[in-house]
Amino acid sequence: NAGVTQTPKFQVLKTGQSMTLQCAQDMNHNSMYWYRQDPGMGLRLIYYSASEGTTDKGEVPNGYNVSRLNKREFSLRLESAAPSQTSVYFCASSEGGAVVFYEQYFGPGTRLTVT
Amino acid sequence: AQSVTQLGSHVSVSEGALVLLRCNYSSSVPPYLFWYVQYPNQGLQLLLKYTSAATLVKGINGFEAEFKKSETSFHLTKPSAHMSDAAEYFCAVSVVKTSYDKVIFGPGTSLSVIP
Repeated sequence: NAGVTQTPKFQVLKTGQSMTLQCAQDMNHNSMYWYRQDPGMGLRLIYYSASEGTTDKGEVPNGYNVSRLNKREFSLRLESAAPSQTSVYFCASSEGGAVVFYEQYFGPGTRLTVT
Repeated sequence: AQSVTQLGSHVSVSEGALVLLRCNYSSSVPPYLFWYVQYPNQGLQLLLKYTSAATLVKGINGFEAEFKKSETSFHLTKPSAHMSDAAEYFCAVSVVKTSYDKVIFGPGTSLSVIP
């Protein structure tokens, strides 16, 4: 099993450009998440998908959109990149549902720089 | 609202010394608590989790944590540090919701191990 995979690993964008970060999991998990990690701030939830066909905003959704393409894939789109979106982005998945103690499995991250 | 604080953004220990990483949480309901570890340029992986079954929780790589309700703490310890323990450690608390499992992460503690 590959677990959670993310592409690309690195990306440099100019202000105003758009891009999509891809995430896929092969563990048949119901829930998927997008986080951003900034120094000294831990991980902050951008969007999550509790199950296929549903998405909801997290703590910092502004400037992002998501698509739960199917049970395996959950993409994050930046429509018009800004320097404030320079960060490391992590995708995660979990078995999900109403039971809150399932652990989350993380991908390796995408390092995004917006100039 | 649930929250997590980690005392000390950076901790240094000598190889073979005790590791103690502090975590305090705020929650209006009995929490589920987690410790995750992040090695350089990797995603997060679960070290251990507290789900109310036992107050002393043992995890991978010799780590353990004790849930103390009276102190609202969930400190992470390891009797003898190894060079391979150098990493970023995140404490997290789950938010009890009816429709999804959501986790709030602390800001992280970077552990250095001195030979």
